[in-house]
Amino acid sequence: QSVLTQPPSVSTAPGQKVTISCSGGSSNMGRNFVSWYQQFPGKAPKLLIFDNDKRPSGIPARFSGSKSDASATLHITEVETGDEGDYFCGAWDSSLGLVVFGGGTKLTVL
Amino acid sequence: EVQLVESGGGLVQPGGSLRLSCTTSGFTFRAHYMAWVRQAPGKGLEWLGRHRDRANGNIIDYAASVKDRFTISRDDSTNSLFLQMTGLSTEDTAMYYCARVFRSQYCDYWGQGTLVIVSS
Repeated sequence: QSVLTQPPSVSTAPGQKVTISCSGGSSNMGRNFVSWYQQFPGKAPKLLIFDNDKRPSGIPARFSGSKSDASATLHITEVETGDEGDYFCGAWDSSLGLVVFGGGTKLTVL
Repeated sequence: EVQLVESGGGLVQPGGSLRLSCTTSGFTFRAHYMAWVRQAPGKGLEWLGRHRDRANGNIIDYAASVKDRFTISRDDSTNSLFLQMTGLSTEDTAMYYCARVFRSQYCDYWGQGTLVIVSS
């Protein structure tokens, strides 16, 4: 049971846009920044978004993040088949004193 | 180029111990927090703990689920991070990743992971 809640799966067609939601509580997303990670099968996660909406160097502008209260959204525009994978949200939990993650959302590009 | 390489995983019996290593290169290891994150087969990510750098007191934070069984350490002279695991159970079966941490909580570089299987 993950602390942060994500939908198990989302799907879209190539060239379209998709959003992945993440919700938490007052001790984590309600007061701290949110991050997003992308993971392909058999590979390590990769940081996509930090501080709610910032992209590390090398991450395409097609990926963006937003946050409102204790909910956050990952936005992907012009989706490519190569974007298929799992996406995890994360946030520092001030009560637990660690980073908590969502259970992950599998993106399928039809 | 930043590189992190984990090693030490394998098959261990319930109740056993294992020590994982993470050898790094390509960045100033002593100036960074480091973390261990694991992922059980088909499951999500679980933060195990974080080792602050010397400038921030070398403080170590652990997840409650492993606090009494796992020990994180680092050796700045060899740019290495370690995870000593004891009292292993089948629930500890997972891929274990070490990660470089920035801004205290974000894992911007990850190793390829080392697989730990706890089974009799």
